[in-house]
Amino acid sequence: KQEVTQIPAALSVPEGENLVLNCSFTDSAIYNLQWFRQDPGKGLTSLLLIQSSQREQTSGRLNASLDKSSGRSTLYIAASQPGDSATYLCAVRNGNYQLIWGAGTKLIIKP
Amino acid sequence: ETGVTQSPTHLIKTRGQQVTLRCSSQSGHNTVSWYQQALGQGPQFIFQYYREEENGRGNFPPRFSGLQFPNYSSELNVNALELDDSALYLCASSLAKQGPRYNEQFFGPGTRLTVL
Repeated sequence: KQEVTQIPAALSVPEGENLVLNCSFTDSAIYNLQWFRQDPGKGLTSLLLIQSSQREQTSGRLNASLDKSSGRSTLYIAASQPGDSATYLCAVRNGNYQLIWGAGTKLIIKP
Repeated sequence: ETGVTQSPTHLIKTRGQQVTLRCSSQSGHNTVSWYQQALGQGPQFIFQYYREEENGRGNFPPRFSGLQFPNYSSELNVNALELDDSALYLCASSLAKQGPRYNEQFFGPGTRLTVL
């Protein structure tokens, strides 16, 4: 059974710092991995999608990497801003079409 | 191009009642998935529809059912509501170019259901 874990559960850093969020999964037989952000009381915004054949994806200040063999993904945020404050979730897609989710990392960027 | 929309935004029901939640997919998308997100947790997959057929289901009882219409809008129906059904219900649509396993999902804002 696929399990997705995100560490840390919460993170608070000063504005301007670079930071890394971690996601690990137990079954390496995934089709893709997706990173999302969720603002309080709102839906999910897709940030980056990495197919199983890819190693990383970049969008602006965000860079996500994928290491299937070790069951890990990282989301790197450069030059953090207060607007980056949100909960970040990762999800992996298994062969039975499901997205299996982590519980998220709540990120607070202090001005 | 409009994004994924859901209605209603909030809903309050009592135990034992039935509820229908609605989702309008992003234009051109042919796949819709529904998720339940309890407070402080990640979403849990309920089911997915591809071209009007259910093609994947999570660990939810049969009282959770769905429909996808020819215009790719969708409904989630929950019968015999229980207190534990209180959650944010999220709909996601996608365009399955290579098949529904590979597609990137785009989410609506969700419906907050409270069962009293």
